[in-house]
Amino acid sequence: DAGVTQSPTHLIKTRGQHVTLRCSPISGHKSVSWYQQVLGQGPQFIFQYYEKEERGRGNFPDRFSARQFPNYSSELNVNALLLGDSALYLCASSPGQGAHEQYFGPGTRLTVT
Amino acid sequence: RKEVEQDPGPFNVPEGATVAFNCTYSNSASQSFFWYRQDCRKEPKLLMSVYSSGNEDGRFTAQLNRASQYISLLIRDSKLSDSATYLCVVNDGYALNFGKGTSLLVTP
Repeated sequence: DAGVTQSPTHLIKTRGQHVTLRCSPISGHKSVSWYQQVLGQGPQFIFQYYEKEERGRGNFPDRFSARQFPNYSSELNVNALLLGDSALYLCASSPGQGAHEQYFGPGTRLTVT
Repeated sequence: RKEVEQDPGPFNVPEGATVAFNCTYSNSASQSFFWYRQDCRKEPKLLMSVYSSGNEDGRFTAQLNRASQYISLLIRDSKLSDSATYLCVVNDGYALNFGKGTSLLVTP
């Protein structure tokens, strides 16, 4: 079975631009979460979506938004990119909402110049 | 105060050694606990869940002490392939809260 997939793998953007990252969860999983990991730190929670609704949001500015589609795939959008947004963006899927194990995709490495 | 705290290491140990990692968490209402492993520039991979009764998976043993808000991971008979960063993770309901990770290097 396929695991969590993310696209693109790498991305280079300029300050002020917009970026869209995509994620497909494990088949049968209905919950998708997004995390940001900067070098030397553990991943930081951004959003969780379950059944197309936002179920949780971390301490990130409104420039970050996300959505989940009927097929449970998800997009993370970041507007007005800052240099500090350079990071590995990880998507994780789990069977349901709540305190479940989460399984991570390979991530999208975003560089903002 | 960070919600999940770990000693960042690095821990340098010879093959065959036993090594232990510890972690503390601040939210007493936390519901579930995990250890993840992360190789350089890769995604975190679930190593094992952690239960109050303690649990073992081959060479790996995890313990949870809810009263002390303390989690541990013991690796016996270390292999070169165990070299990685080990992330202590606490789930508060929907979000996974990660520690910064403990770096392990197993040497020949």
